[in-house]
Amino acid sequence: ETGVTQTPRHLVMGMTNKKSLKCEQHLGHNAMYWYKQSAKKPLELMFVYNFKEQTENNSVPSRFSPECPNSSHLFLHLHTLQPEDSALYLCASSSSGTGSYEQYFGPGTRLTVT
Amino acid sequence: AQTVTQSQPEMSVQEAETVTLSCTYDTSESDYYLFWYKQPPSRQMILVIRQEAYKQQNATENRFSVNFQKAAKSFSLKISDSQLGDAAMYFCAYSHGDYTGANSKLTFGKGITLSVRP
Repeated sequence: ETGVTQTPRHLVMGMTNKKSLKCEQHLGHNAMYWYKQSAKKPLELMFVYNFKEQTENNSVPSRFSPECPNSSHLFLHLHTLQPEDSALYLCASSSSGTGSYEQYFGPGTRLTVT
Repeated sequence: AQTVTQSQPEMSVQEAETVTLSCTYDTSESDYYLFWYKQPPSRQMILVIRQEAYKQQNATENRFSVNFQKAAKSFSLKISDSQLGDAAMYFCAYSHGDYTGANSKLTFGKGITLSVRP
């Protein structure tokens, strides 16, 4: 256990559905991240939040909508996804102000778009 | 832009033997951090070891150690006395956060799948 939890662990959704992924960290961190992990590709950083403010959006399609209500919670709202969006979505957190740069990851949500 | 290259997609090691996983990176920064992450089949990414670029001494964590060659921009991971539980995908990662540690974005390599033969 890394102190970062994600729900659900598995999700199957149709292209017209709307669903949300949830991430929660219990480490007192103030930066949170969404990554997409596809087979045979490097991890792709999607969004970065620092103290609840979005500080990075890596040209992610608008069908992915992040939300960070506080430093402990991060959501990824999904709508009208495409089959190529099927992947493992990883959440991570890190601490700023301590000079510690490592990120702690959750177990991921395996998303299948049908 | 920073890049991280792991050119070996797969490696195999006999249990109790030593294996070295390679990683090279490219950056114009002088101050940065390097990491090795492990992702077992259960999929939870775990930090294995970290190296600060300003430190000349190679980091060590129990059976895991790195060979950090700053001039060559090389950062290899050595696993000694390999165990069955070491079987996983290993990712090399680079970070150049600001001095506060905020926005410590990680750039990952493609990863290498390590199998351990009993």
